[in-house]
Amino acid sequence: DIQMTQSPSSLSASVGDRVTITCRASQSISSYLNWYQQKPGKAPKLLIYAASSLQSGVPSRFSGSGSGTDFTLTISSLQPEDFATYYCQQSYSTPSTFGQGTRLEIK
Amino acid sequence: EVQLVQSGAEVKKPGESLKISCKGSGYSFTSYWIGWVRQMPGKGLEWMGIIYPGDSDTRYSPSFQGQVTISADKSISTAYLQWSSLKASDTAMYYCARRYCSSTSCWFDPWGQGTLVTVSS
Repeated sequence: DIQMTQSPSSLSASVGDRVTITCRASQSISSYLNWYQQKPGKAPKLLIYAASSLQSGVPSRFSGSGSGTDFTLTISSLQPEDFATYYCQQSYSTPSTFGQGTRLEIK
Repeated sequence: EVQLVQSGAEVKKPGESLKISCKGSGYSFTSYWIGWVRQMPGKGLEWMGIIYPGDSDTRYSPSFQGQVTISADKSISTAYLQWSSLKASDTAMYYCARRYCSSTSCWFDPWGQGTLVTVSS
């Protein structure tokens, strides 16, 4: 299985900050990388697919980049509703695998 | 609107069987893979497996192969996840999600609301 490693595991930030979360794959996955946001008690929500494509309806302050093994999710200016847990997912091979998650907390 | 609606929360005893469901609407149910994802209490997301309702082709994660059965009834646009003998360690939230693929990736969207399964004696 392809292992996905996110860093950091948790992060404290303030409203208005620029935040970057990193996801590294154990082998090359081309651009088969997606990002999800999950709020407590809710199902995950797709933010970014194919490494850098913004899902319809997702605010433009979210962006994704990378290819191969190293990927980033950037939030350009944190809003109160962005405090949540973020997961990356590779869909290059079966089984698909998720990163362990990054919990974004209010400072 | 594309929607997945899952069955309600379940409380079971160890050794009991269980089948939970995920009903799709607003799209051609037989044309997209449906996946199942486990989230144990306070933990991350785990990909369990996927099924193509059009022909019931199914793929499992090795971690879940033999532990659960994924099936679908295309006549009622419903996918299922079932256990023959539950364990306390099966206590978790289970999500279904539609898999959508482009030429450059596949992703889960939308997701069902989740089904909480609690296994306790």
